[in-house]
Amino acid sequence: KAGVTQTPRYLIKTRGQQVTLSCSPISGHRSVSWYQQTPGQGLQFLFEYFSETQRNKGNFPGRFSGRQFSNSRSEMNVSTLELGDSALYLCASSSRQGYNEQFFGPGTRLTVL
Amino acid sequence: TQLLEQSPQFLSIQEGENLTVYCNSSSVFSSLQWYRQEPGEGPVLLVTVVTGGEVKKLKRLTFQFGDARKDSSLHITAAQPGDTGLYLCAGDKNAGNMLTFGGGTRLMVKP
Repeated sequence: KAGVTQTPRYLIKTRGQQVTLSCSPISGHRSVSWYQQTPGQGLQFLFEYFSETQRNKGNFPGRFSGRQFSNSRSEMNVSTLELGDSALYLCASSSRQGYNEQFFGPGTRLTVL
Repeated sequence: TQLLEQSPQFLSIQEGENLTVYCNSSSVFSSLQWYRQEPGEGPVLLVTVVTGGEVKKLKRLTFQFGDARKDSSLHITAAQPGDTGLYLCAGDKNAGNMLTFGGGTRLMVKP
């Protein structure tokens, strides 16, 4: 089975811009979760989508949003970028069976200048 | 304050040495997972522990879940340079797929 893919791998934006990141889960996985990883805060949960519905949401401002399509692919959007949004954004897919084991993609490295 | 506290944060050892990484919390988790992450990549799942007192072995790696399901440890025997990486523990409190991660332990094994 192919793993989780994320595009793009690297992105440079300036403050105030908006960005959209994409994630394709493992075939058959209907749950997609997004995480932000920074050196200071570590890995923090953003949100989870399952069957096109947001099931859980972390403690992030409304500038961070997402959606999931009928083929389980997911996108994450960040509007009005701030310098502090610079991070590695990780997507993880899960079959939502068993013990919530997450399979991560390689991430998108976002740099905000 | 991290819900899951990992220690130590950094560890630099020589090849062949043993080490233990700890993951502690005041909360109970229904399951706990350990991941390893290499630079530029996403975390890779190593193991999931679900039963209090459970011990799982993966070659030279031994994982233990505390009896009360609040803490866990990872022990590596005879570490090798290939073990170098960031080790992360993550707990699931039965809130769907919302994992809570520890701050990570950055391990470097020198040849």
